[in-house]
Amino acid sequence: QKEVEQNSGPLSVPEGAIASLNCTYSDRVSQSFFWYRQYSGKSPELIMSIYSNGDKEDGRFTAQLNKASQYVSLLIRDSQPSDSATYLCALYGNNRLAFGKGNQVVVIP
Amino acid sequence: DAGVIQSPRHEVTEMGQEVTLRCKPISGHNSLFWYRQTMMRGLELLIYFNNNVPIDDSGMPEDRFSAKMPNASFSTLKIQPSEPRDSAVYFCASRRAGLWETQYFGPGTRLLVL
Repeated sequence: QKEVEQNSGPLSVPEGAIASLNCTYSDRVSQSFFWYRQYSGKSPELIMSIYSNGDKEDGRFTAQLNKASQYVSLLIRDSQPSDSATYLCALYGNNRLAFGKGNQVVVIP
Repeated sequence: DAGVIQSPRHEVTEMGQEVTLRCKPISGHNSLFWYRQTMMRGLELLIYFNNNVPIDDSGMPEDRFSAKMPNASFSTLKIQPSEPRDSAVYFCASRRAGLWETQYFGPGTRLLVL
């Protein structure tokens, strides 16, 4: 099993809807988790970090972490066309950041 | 703050040629990372430096790849000889030690090896 897995294909959501992204990981020791957003042709930028079980909200973004089930998710409420991007899940483990392959989100006006 | 600077932004070369990618980290950041991103493999860590010293190069694909950091403000990633499968976007990132959430990526170098 790869360290970080994002298995969902491209996600299309209508403007104003909720986009939900999931990520699973294999390293039980990992304590720090991150979501990066990457626009086409641009570099990844950090949008959320989460370290404890439960939810963390920041504006329209909510990160959810469940260490027992080894998954972390990202919810984007009131999706906007500007949210159209690829979202990368990452975790800190073995003294490095490990990234998933990403999920593409397309918000349809 | 200028951010992480990478050059060139685009590089097209022929198989067998030497390619050198350059990176200037954010001033005051003492950790530097080289990543490679492809559609097939996603974003992979190639090598990282702490205080100019290579810490982990286990992600470097093979001996054709080498990286140096002669000082705190400059690093290079060299591919010699280059092959078509090296075509990818190469990102450099930097951060202050111990603060993973403050890792900042450069704009990347798009490499195409023909």
